[in-house]
Amino acid sequence: QSALSQPASVSGSPGQSITMSCTGTSSDIGGYDYVSWYQQHPGKAPKLLIYAVTKRPSGVSDRFSGSKSGNTAYLTISGLQPEDEADYSCGSYTSSATLLFGAGTKLTVL
Amino acid sequence: QVTLRESGPALVKPTQTLTLTCTFSGFSLSSGAMCVSWIRQPPGKALEWLARIDWDDDKYYSKSLKTRLSISKDTSKNQVVLTMTDMAPVDTATYYCAREDRVTLIRGAVDSWGQGTLVTVSS
Repeated sequence: QSALSQPASVSGSPGQSITMSCTGTSSDIGGYDYVSWYQQHPGKAPKLLIYAVTKRPSGVSDRFSGSKSGNTAYLTISGLQPEDEADYSCGSYTSSATLLFGAGTKLTVL
Repeated sequence: QVTLRESGPALVKPTQTLTLTCTFSGFSLSSGAMCVSWIRQPPGKALEWLARIDWDDDKYYSKSLKTRLSISKDTSKNQVVLTMTDMAPVDTATYYCAREDRVTLIRGAVDSWGQGTLVTVSS
């Protein structure tokens, strides 16, 4: 099963909003409302930002939001801050009851 | 507070079998709807989900690695063990164990991660 497709990089200036995508198939993203997003700073373990497409765990800033349309999920970060510069990965539950990750997107805050 | 910690060899030789142990606290794998997964990340590359064991002892594996993987749990010790056979240099990666809390997160998300352990495969 191939990784979910994510753009290699996105960038934005402080205060701006950015949206990144995560594209799968009807066997994963399109088939279930179980998409998650993770933030990973260099040398650190990933941190869960979004689960079940739109939900935020306790303690995650409301600047992070998720959505989905068909086989593609989106992560939007509003009011970009320098500390948002990191790698972002999406994940999806699959028809095989497994978890599939995306290839990852590097966010640069200009 | 939920914590997970991976342990195992930092260096393995090609063709050897890797055994990693995840020791966790703050939750129980014998209670309903908790799962532990193993996930790896080669240097500079993407996360790759490997395997999961559920509270009811159901086990799931990556299709591409299924023949090489085995996952098990020792509920009394709060440990999950992953074995991967026939290791090769391409298996060099940081290996993470992580919890999936299906009570809170439903499914398809891991909310607590270990710090990861770097495993290098080299002769």
